[in-house]
Amino acid sequence: GAGVSQSPSNKVTEKGKDVELRCDPISGHTALYWYRQSLGQGLEFLIYFQGNSAPDKSGLPSDRFSAERTGGSVSTLTIQRTQQEDSAVYLCASSRGLVAYNELFFGPGTRLTVL
Amino acid sequence: QKEVEQNSGPLSVPEGAIASLNCTYSDRGSQSFFWYRQYSGKSPELIMSIYSNGDKEDGRFTAQLNKASQYVSLLIRDSQPSDSATYLCSPHFGNEKLTFGTGTRLTIIP
Repeated sequence: GAGVSQSPSNKVTEKGKDVELRCDPISGHTALYWYRQSLGQGLEFLIYFQGNSAPDKSGLPSDRFSAERTGGSVSTLTIQRTQQEDSAVYLCASSRGLVAYNELFFGPGTRLTVL
Repeated sequence: QKEVEQNSGPLSVPEGAIASLNCTYSDRGSQSFFWYRQYSGKSPELIMSIYSNGDKEDGRFTAQLNKASQYVSLLIRDSQPSDSATYLCSPHFGNEKLTFGTGTRLTIIP
């Protein structure tokens, strides 16, 4: 079956503009994660969803970041008033269930560049 | 204290030799441990999981876990150039926020 898909694959925007990043998880996967990876850095946790609920939003860097998930499927990460430090690859991942026992499947990522 | 510590490398290993990647973690309560591989410009993919103390072998890969020492390692036998990648250690800390180390960059020299 299809893997995790993300769109757009690349996004170049000007400082101060809003951007929306989309993630389509693997069908039937209840858990969905957003991570951020800056050049040469590790994975920074942003938020995760169990179904449509986001029990842990502690990783969101600021109130400019928000995310939602609808129908237990598609998720959107929105960054308002983008800043240059937001430039990174944004990775979405999904899992069949609890990540303690289930593999995380990652999408190809969205490369965001803020000029 | 960092939650997950890995040597960032780069670690260079001759082709055919054993590559040894190490990871320490801060939470004594961690029960699940994962190794993900990330090729340059690609997304991470799971290569090993381990839940009990001791060794777990899968082909050329062996994961080793010592919960008392809060240490997990990954051995790659008969290293191949295709093993050149960044390896991310991920202990599960008991919630659903899966944390990753910064990764060790491994280069296999032909």
